[in-house]
Amino acid sequence: DQQVKQNSPSLSVQEGRISILNCDYTNSMFDYFLWYKKYPAEGPTFLISISSIKDKNEDGRFTVFLNKSAKHLSLHIVPSQPGDSAVYFCAASAGNTGKLIFGQGTTLQVKP
Amino acid sequence: DTAVSQTPKYLVTQMGNDKSIKCEQNLGHDTMYWYKQDSKKFLKIMFSYNNKELIINETVPNRFSPKSPDKAHLNLHINSLELGDSAVYFCASSQEGLGRREQFFGPGTRLTVL
Repeated sequence: DQQVKQNSPSLSVQEGRISILNCDYTNSMFDYFLWYKKYPAEGPTFLISISSIKDKNEDGRFTVFLNKSAKHLSLHIVPSQPGDSAVYFCAASAGNTGKLIFGQGTTLQVKP
Repeated sequence: DTAVSQTPKYLVTQMGNDKSIKCEQNLGHDTMYWYKQDSKKFLKIMFSYNNKELIINETVPNRFSPKSPDKAHLNLHINSLELGDSAVYFCASSQEGLGRREQFFGPGTRLTVL
């Protein structure tokens, strides 16, 4: 039972354009969401997070949007750079349990 | 000055052996975790410790035993290794406060059981 789903295994965009990565969840108890970026042979690196009391959080080129009614969040990267090419994981947590539930990841390729 | 470090990075061993993976964090965090990334790339939590106390223990075989000698270290010992234990294991740490729940991950240990 996958509570966090990233339905697009891969995404390819041109340098300078916008990358939009999507994530859906099923558990209405989730109240905190995170995006991680992962390069091969490295651990996931925290990118940006959002609490369920907000619908948008921005940090530089990265913006996360949360639509609670649709149980959907997205990560926007603009402008995309070749160094953004990596696997992006969406994660969610419910309360302060410390337990993160991860999606299966989306591989982003940014072409020069 | 690595924040979360794991040793070894690669571990190749035979079925039935016992092995350990070590994790250390120098971030001063109170909570540490072990995650498993299987062949399908799913990252799943196995255990978490807060100040040396076991907090989360997911449905993991008893062959897996975490040990936390102090709050900066969380080691994972695996007995009687099986083929299905082959995966990448990630250690992570976090510090509660200010409503933030980010966890910081180590580089991973790729375990291959032959």
